[in-house]
Amino acid sequence: QVQLVQSGGDVKKPGASVKVSCRASGYTFISNAINWVRQAPGQGLEWMGWISAYNGHTNYAQKFQGRLIMTTDTSTNTAYMELRSLRSDDTAVYYCAREVARDWLDPWGQGTLVTVSS
Amino acid sequence: YELTQPPSVSVSPGQTARVSCSGDALPNQYVYWYQQKPGQAPVLVIYKDSERPSGIPERFSGSSSGTTVTLTISGVQAEDEADYYCQLGDNSGTYFGGGTKLTVL
Repeated sequence: QVQLVQSGGDVKKPGASVKVSCRASGYTFISNAINWVRQAPGQGLEWMGWISAYNGHTNYAQKFQGRLIMTTDTSTNTAYMELRSLRSDDTAVYYCAREVARDWLDPWGQGTLVTVSS
Repeated sequence: YELTQPPSVSVSPGQTARVSCSGDALPNQYVYWYQQKPGQAPVLVIYKDSERPSGIPERFSGSSSGTTVTLTISGVQAEDEADYYCQLGDNSGTYFGGGTKLTVL
């Protein structure tokens, strides 16, 4: 079955960077884009951006321009999301999700809690 | 795009729950619905306004009318208590509604 498995949670200090991985299985990795979505504690879903696993093309939400980097490794079917210059309000659960037909997201990874605290 | 959902909806078991999602862009875009239970990742329950993925119970359905799309859960069960989010996407990005907490009384 199609599955996305993310790396474990992390604690970072303000100003640091975090890199979250998302390993895909059960489908042809380069056939679909991977989206990243985050959810702050008690809040709704916030789209961060997507990356084409086929050619590495990215589209980032304007809010994250300049400190967000998405990459993929087709040899291991893994997508990565790196967020730099972390602030306390970046504390959230970060999800990866496979984009289907350039529209909907299915399935989602299990989520990775990133805590930013001094 | 701005997608507006009611913050909360409450129904008794066996009744019908309706969760709305409104936005000016909706007449021209498909909408997708996700269910998120506490501590879990979102799960797709409706795609392209009204299509149901395999494995999703038949009691989940979707409809669209003008600038509003509606997720309907018929014969609500206790296990349906969750947050529900609508979503649409285009070349510029993906947009989520604020989410609706469904409480089963």
